[in-house]
Amino acid sequence: EAGVVQSPRYKIIEKKQPVAFWCNPISGHNTLYWYRQNLGQGPELLIRYENEEAVDDSQLPKDRFSAERLKGVDSTLKIQPAELGDSAVYLCASSPNAGELFFGEGSRLTVL
Amino acid sequence: DQQVKQNSPSLSVQEGRISILNCDYTNSMFDYFLWYKKYPAEGPTFLISISSIKDKNEDGRFTVFLNKSAKHLSLHIVPSQPGDSAVYFCAASAWRDDKIIFGKGTRLHILP
Repeated sequence: EAGVVQSPRYKIIEKKQPVAFWCNPISGHNTLYWYRQNLGQGPELLIRYENEEAVDDSQLPKDRFSAERLKGVDSTLKIQPAELGDSAVYLCASSPNAGELFFGEGSRLTVL
Repeated sequence: DQQVKQNSPSLSVQEGRISILNCDYTNSMFDYFLWYKKYPAEGPTFLISISSIKDKNEDGRFTVFLNKSAKHLSLHIVPSQPGDSAVYFCAASAWRDDKIIFGKGTRLHILP
Protein backbone atom coordinates (compact mmCIF):
# COMPACT_ATOMS: atom_id res chain seq x y z
CA GLU A 1 0.00 0.00 0.00
CA ALA A 2 1.40 3.39 -0.99
CA GLY A 3 2.05 5.82 1.83
CA VAL A 4 1.39 9.54 2.00
CA VAL A 5 3.14 11.21 -0.92
CA GLN A 6 4.39 14.77 -0.75
CA SER A 7 6.14 16.99 -3.26
CA PRO A 8 8.46 18.68 -3.62
CA ARG A 9 10.82 17.20 -1.04
CA TYR A 10 12.94 20.32 -1.00
CA LYS A 11 12.28 23.89 -2.07
CA ILE A 12 14.51 26.96 -1.84
CA ILE A 13 12.98 30.33 -2.65
CA GLU A 14 13.65 33.98 -1.99
CA LYS A 15 11.44 35.86 0.42
CA LYS A 16 8.26 37.32 -1.02
CA GLN A 17 8.06 34.53 -3.59
CA PRO A 18 5.11 32.12 -3.61
CA VAL A 19 5.44 28.40 -2.95
CA ALA A 20 3.07 25.45 -3.06
CA PHE A 21 3.22 21.97 -1.58
CA TRP A 22 1.20 18.99 -2.70
CA CYS A 23 0.03 15.96 -0.76
CA ASN A 24 -1.63 12.75 -1.79
CA PRO A 25 -2.96 10.84 1.23
CA ILE A 26 -3.28 7.11 1.64
CA SER A 27 -6.22 5.83 -0.37
CA GLY A 28 -9.39 5.73 1.69
CA HIS A 29 -8.15 8.09 4.39
CA ASN A 30 -10.79 10.77 4.87
CA THR A 31 -8.83 12.93 7.29
CA LEU A 32 -5.88 14.96 6.05
CA TYR A 33 -3.59 17.19 8.09
CA TRP A 34 -0.93 19.75 7.31
CA TYR A 35 1.68 20.24 10.04
CA ARG A 36 4.67 22.54 10.19
CA GLN A 37 7.82 21.46 11.98
CA ASN A 38 10.41 24.07 12.86
CA LEU A 39 13.97 23.04 13.70
CA GLY A 40 14.14 21.45 17.14
CA GLN A 41 10.40 21.51 17.60
CA GLY A 42 7.57 19.06 17.29
CA PRO A 43 5.02 19.20 14.47
CA GLU A 44 2.41 21.94 14.85
CA LEU A 45 -1.00 21.60 13.22
CA LEU A 46 -1.84 24.12 10.50
CA ILE A 47 -5.08 22.68 9.16
CA ARG A 48 -7.18 19.52 9.31
CA TYR A 49 -9.62 18.31 6.68
CA GLU A 50 -12.45 15.84 6.95
CA ASN A 51 -13.00 14.95 3.30
CA GLU A 52 -13.07 18.32 1.53
CA GLU A 53 -14.10 20.33 4.58
CA ALA A 54 -11.54 22.21 6.66
CA VAL A 55 -12.69 21.39 10.20
CA ASP A 56 -9.80 23.05 12.03
CA ASP A 57 -7.79 25.88 10.49
CA SER A 58 -7.39 27.93 13.64
CA GLN A 59 -3.58 27.74 13.48
CA LEU A 60 -3.27 28.60 9.79
CA PRO A 61 -1.86 32.13 9.22
CA LYS A 62 -4.57 33.13 6.82
CA ASP A 63 -2.95 36.33 5.64
CA ARG A 64 -0.36 34.40 3.64
CA PHE A 65 -1.25 30.71 3.89
CA SER A 66 -4.02 28.94 2.05
CA ALA A 67 -4.96 25.32 1.56
CA GLU A 68 -7.44 23.35 -0.41
CA ARG A 69 -8.57 19.77 -0.72
CA LEU A 70 -10.76 19.63 -3.76
CA LYS A 71 -12.70 16.38 -4.20
CA GLY A 72 -11.58 15.30 -0.75
CA VAL A 73 -8.47 13.48 -1.93
CA ASP A 74 -5.18 15.28 -2.55
CA SER A 75 -4.40 18.67 -1.08
CA THR A 76 -2.23 21.70 -1.70
CA LEU A 77 -0.78 24.15 0.79
CA LYS A 78 0.27 27.55 -0.52
CA ILE A 79 2.31 30.36 0.97
CA GLN A 80 2.21 33.76 -0.70
CA PRO A 81 4.33 35.68 -0.09
CA ALA A 82 6.87 33.61 1.79
CA GLU A 83 8.79 35.12 4.70
CA LEU A 84 12.11 34.11 6.26
CA GLY A 85 10.30 32.66 9.26
CA ASP A 86 8.41 30.22 7.04
CA SER A 87 11.51 28.08 6.64
CA ALA A 88 10.48 24.72 8.06
CA VAL A 89 9.45 21.20 7.12
CA TYR A 90 5.82 20.98 6.03
CA LEU A 91 4.37 17.60 6.86
CA CYS A 92 1.22 16.11 5.47
CA ALA A 93 -0.52 13.29 7.30
CA SER A 94 -3.67 11.27 6.76
CA SER A 95 -5.78 9.10 8.99
CA PRO A 96 -8.39 6.42 8.36
CA ASN A 97 -10.05 7.10 11.66
CA ALA A 98 -9.49 8.91 14.89
CA GLY A 99 -6.07 8.77 16.46
CA GLU A 100 -3.20 7.38 14.42
CA LEU A 101 -1.62 9.63 11.82
CA PHE A 102 0.37 8.44 8.84
CA PHE A 103 2.91 11.05 7.79
CA GLY A 104 4.56 11.75 4.49
CA GLU A 105 8.27 12.44 4.25
CA GLY A 106 7.72 16.18 4.37
CA SER A 107 8.62 19.15 2.21
CA ARG A 108 11.59 21.14 3.48
CA LEU A 109 11.26 24.85 2.69
CA THR A 110 14.17 27.26 2.86
CA VAL A 111 13.38 30.94 2.42
CA LEU A 112 16.42 33.13 1.65
CA ASP B 1 2.31 27.48 26.54
CA GLN B 2 3.41 23.94 25.81
CA GLN B 3 0.73 21.40 26.61
CA VAL B 4 3.00 18.42 25.92
CA LYS B 5 6.49 18.62 27.35
CA GLN B 6 9.52 16.47 26.68
CA ASN B 7 12.13 17.97 28.94
CA SER B 8 15.08 15.86 27.79
CA PRO B 9 16.29 17.00 24.35
CA SER B 10 18.57 13.97 24.08
CA LEU B 11 19.33 10.65 25.73
CA SER B 12 22.16 8.17 25.25
CA VAL B 13 21.73 4.52 26.16
CA GLN B 14 23.98 1.50 25.81
CA GLU B 15 22.82 -1.14 23.33
CA GLY B 16 20.93 -3.89 25.12
CA ARG B 17 19.93 -1.70 28.07
CA ILE B 18 16.57 -0.08 28.73
CA SER B 19 15.70 3.30 27.21
CA ILE B 20 13.18 5.40 29.12
CA LEU B 21 11.73 8.47 27.45
CA ASN B 22 9.55 10.77 29.51
CA CYS B 23 6.69 13.09 28.70
CA ASP B 24 4.55 15.42 30.80
CA TYR B 25 1.31 17.10 29.86
CA THR B 26 -0.66 19.96 31.33
CA ASN B 27 -4.12 19.59 29.81
CA SER B 28 -6.24 17.36 32.04
CA MET B 29 -8.66 16.88 29.13
CA PHE B 30 -6.11 14.81 27.21
CA ASP B 31 -7.23 11.20 27.16
CA TYR B 32 -5.32 9.65 24.27
CA PHE B 33 -1.55 9.55 24.00
CA LEU B 34 0.79 8.48 21.23
CA TRP B 35 4.49 8.04 20.60
CA TYR B 36 6.01 8.67 17.20
CA LYS B 37 9.51 7.87 15.98
CA LYS B 38 11.33 9.96 13.40
CA TYR B 39 14.46 9.24 11.40
CA PRO B 40 16.31 12.09 9.60
CA ALA B 41 14.70 13.20 6.34
CA GLU B 42 11.65 11.04 6.98
CA GLY B 43 8.22 11.76 8.37
CA PRO B 44 7.29 10.59 11.88
CA THR B 45 5.98 7.03 12.13
CA PHE B 46 3.49 5.82 14.69
CA LEU B 47 4.96 3.63 17.40
CA ILE B 48 2.47 2.98 20.17
CA SER B 49 -0.52 4.60 21.84
CA ILE B 50 -2.45 4.44 25.09
CA SER B 51 -5.92 5.47 26.14
CA SER B 52 -6.52 7.10 29.52
CA ILE B 53 -8.57 4.11 30.64
CA LYS B 54 -5.33 2.13 30.77
CA ASP B 55 -2.10 2.64 32.63
CA LYS B 56 0.07 0.40 30.48
CA ASN B 57 0.24 -0.75 26.89
CA GLU B 58 2.85 -3.11 25.54
CA ASP B 59 3.92 -3.94 21.99
CA GLY B 60 7.00 -6.09 21.66
CA ARG B 61 10.02 -4.20 22.98
CA PHE B 62 7.96 -1.04 23.50
CA THR B 63 5.85 -0.30 26.57
CA VAL B 64 4.07 2.93 27.38
CA PHE B 65 3.10 3.75 30.96
CA LEU B 66 0.54 6.40 31.87
CA ASN B 67 0.26 8.08 35.27
CA LYS B 68 -2.84 10.25 35.04
CA SER B 69 -2.55 11.75 38.51
CA ALA B 70 0.94 12.97 37.70
CA LYS B 71 0.05 13.83 34.09
CA HIS B 72 3.07 11.85 33.04
CA LEU B 73 3.78 9.11 30.56
CA SER B 74 6.89 7.23 29.63
CA LEU B 75 8.06 5.01 26.81
CA HIS B 76 10.27 2.06 27.68
CA ILE B 77 12.32 0.30 25.05
CA VAL B 78 13.96 -2.92 26.11
CA PRO B 79 16.37 -4.11 24.96
CA SER B 80 17.55 -1.06 23.08
CA GLN B 81 18.89 -1.69 19.59
CA PRO B 82 20.97 0.47 17.21
CA GLY B 83 17.96 0.98 14.94
CA ASP B 84 16.16 2.66 17.82
CA SER B 85 18.38 5.73 17.42
CA ALA B 86 15.91 8.40 16.32
CA VAL B 87 13.87 11.32 17.58
CA TYR B 88 10.84 10.29 19.63
CA PHE B 89 7.79 12.53 19.85
CA CYS B 90 5.17 12.28 22.54
CA ALA B 91 1.70 13.43 21.44
CA ALA B 92 -1.73 13.80 23.00
CA SER B 93 -5.31 14.61 22.13
CA ALA B 94 -8.41 15.51 24.13
CA TRP B 95 -10.63 13.14 22.24
CA ARG B 96 -9.49 10.51 19.86
CA ASP B 97 -10.68 12.55 16.90
CA ASP B 98 -9.43 15.88 18.10
CA LYS B 99 -6.23 17.51 16.97
CA ILE B 100 -3.04 15.89 18.18
CA ILE B 101 -0.54 18.06 20.05
CA PHE B 102 3.12 17.08 19.82
CA GLY B 103 6.02 17.60 22.20
CA LYS B 104 9.39 18.90 21.02
CA GLY B 105 10.91 15.43 20.85
CA THR B 106 13.78 13.57 22.48
CA ARG B 107 16.74 12.39 20.41
CA LEU B 108 17.74 8.89 21.46
CA HIS B 109 21.26 7.65 20.76
CA ILE B 110 21.92 3.93 21.18
CA LEU B 111 25.61 3.40 21.87
CA PRO B 112 27.39 0.25 20.66
